[in-house]
Parts: sequence; structure tokens; C-alpha cells
Amino acid sequence: ETGVTQTPRHLVMGMTNKKSLKCEQHLGHNAMYWYKQSAKKPLELMFVYSLEERVENNSVPSRFSPECPNSSHLFLHLHTLQPEDSALYLCASSQVRGRGTEAFFGQGTRLTVV
Amino acid sequence: KQEVTQIPAALSVPEGENLVLNCSFTDSAIYNLQWFRQDPGKGLTSLLLIQSSQREQTSGRLNASLDKSSGRSTLYIAASQPGDSATYLCAVARSNYQLIWGAGTKLIIKP
Repeated sequence: ETGVTQTPRHLVMGMTNKKSLKCEQHLGHNAMYWYKQSAKKPLELMFVYSLEERVENNSVPSRFSPECPNSSHLFLHLHTLQPEDSALYLCASSQVRGRGTEAFFGQGTRLTVV
Repeated sequence: KQEVTQIPAALSVPEGENLVLNCSFTDSAIYNLQWFRQDPGKGLTSLLLIQSSQREQTSGRLNASLDKSSGRSTLYIAASQPGDSATYLCAVARSNYQLIWGAGTKLIIKP
């Protein structure tokens, strides 16, 4: 285990469903991230939370809604998704201090929208 | 705009060979560069992080170099093993929070 745990590992949902992805980090880090990884594309940063405040949001559609209740937990709430949202969703954490920080990733949630 | 390119996209070599994976970036103003490996359908494992002020980092059979002036990094794998088969990704940090990613090199080590 990497210290970053994601659940569920696999999720199949219909376009009208509402579901949530969960991420928990056990590393004492102060920043957490959601990434989307689609086939044959570079990773896309979706959201960044630092000290429980969102610091970056890369124009992600509103059908994705993040929540960071504390520095160890991060959620991604999903509703009315589209088939093109099917991808591997990765959570990461890091300890931000000065310049240069190492990111640690969870195992990802494989999401299929049908 | 920072762009990260990894060449080749795929590489297949016999077991035991030494090999080099390449990563290039367009903007030398970086915080650090990080190499990861990803096994099929799984998350990313951090391999090496090179700060912008460093030239190289080593971990076991892995050695990563950084040349900011030319916008290049290499990941050297010595005495390759079948267990090294994976996709290798490089990412450049352009801020405390944002990593710019390459598309990866898929490596296959043939027994």
C-alpha cells in the first residue's frame, strides 16, 4: 500500500446515478488531488485541495463535485455523468513546503459510465 | 505553455539489457521533475524526484538525470528484469500544486 487508499476500486454507473469516490491518505500530507486518466492521454489534473481549501480547479464540468472535509479525506461526488467520463480516477497527496514536493498516488477507481 | 514529451511511446527489450527512457520539456522554469511507474489498471508509484537544483538521483538500479538548460531528463534502468515491465511516466512540477505529465513510455522486458 502506498499510504493513499481509494474506494471503490471499480465502479459502473448509469448516466442518471449519483455516486461518490473516496480517498484517504495516511501520510500526514497537507494537499490532496484528483486526477483523471483516460486511455492514451496524459493525466489531467481536476482538483487540488491544500489545507482543506480548494486551490485549483481546472475547469472541470459541474457534474464532478469535490469535497475535502479534513486534510486526510477527499471525495469526488458524481452525478449525471456521460460515457466519455469513463476513465481511471486517481487521488494523490503531497506535503507542500517551499519548492518541490513529491506526490503519492492511490490505486485509482476504474469508472465506467453506461 | 509547458509541454512534456516522452519518447519512445513503447519499448521492448530482452531481459538483462540496460536501457534509457527519455523525457523532454519546453519550459526550464520548473520546481522539480518526477518519474513514476504504472502497472496496468493501477495507480502510480513514485520512483525518483529530482529537484530543479539537482542533476541526478539514484535508487537501486534506477538513475534519473536532469538537464534544465536542454529541457531533458533521462531514466536509466540497469540490468532490466521482467518485473520492470510497466508504463513509465515523467511529470514536471511548474508550481507547488501542478504537475505537467508526459504520455508515458510502455516498457516490456522479454524473459
